[in-house]
Amino acid sequence: EDKVVQSPLSLVVHEGDTVTLNCSYEVTNFRSLLWYKQEKKAPTFLFMLTSSGIEKKSGRLSSILDKKELSSILNITATQTGDSAIYLCAVRAGSYQLTFGKGTKLSVIP
Amino acid sequence: SAVISQKPSRDICQRGTSLTIQCQVDSQVTMMFWYRQQPGQSLTLIATANQGSEATYESGFVIDKFPISRPNLTFSTLTVSNMSPEDSSIYLCSVERGTGNTIYFGEGSWLTVV
Repeated sequence: EDKVVQSPLSLVVHEGDTVTLNCSYEVTNFRSLLWYKQEKKAPTFLFMLTSSGIEKKSGRLSSILDKKELSSILNITATQTGDSAIYLCAVRAGSYQLTFGKGTKLSVIP
Repeated sequence: SAVISQKPSRDICQRGTSLTIQCQVDSQVTMMFWYRQQPGQSLTLIATANQGSEATYESGFVIDKFPISRPNLTFSTLTVSNMSPEDSSIYLCSVERGTGNTIYFGEGSWLTVV
């Protein structure tokens, strides 16, 4: 059975801090790893990492895939209150199935 | 990206009733997916809906409880039948689009069963 584990489950930081969120996985036929930000209902796509694209960056957010360690990290620098959300990691294996982790709830306080 | 609209956004439902959620995409897509997110939990795939064929359900989900329609390449519905409080969840429609077949999600439908 495919498994995705995120840590920590929750995190409280002050504005301006840098945070690192972790995601590890055990899946058969890995295709890609995706990060999403969920603020209210809909997860918003952040990054997709594959064997041919193991590092992505967008503004203050960046992510790296470590295929050897079967893990990924999501970094957020200079955090803002608007970064407060649940960050979801999902791994795609086989044809279409996405397996999600339980998420990391990030709270950024002023 | 993709523009995915869901209706209703939110509803409170009586136990034993059924509710149909609609999902409209801004352009044609081959595969549409329905997920459920129970309170405090992560997302779980309910089924995959392809136009012109029966939906494919994941383990633990059955057609009688969650009938799905896919009449064309931009629209799908998910019905939650004979609801119980355990069905209180966010239901999300998603599609595959773009480079690397990224999965994008709709706005979600938050159902509370009382």
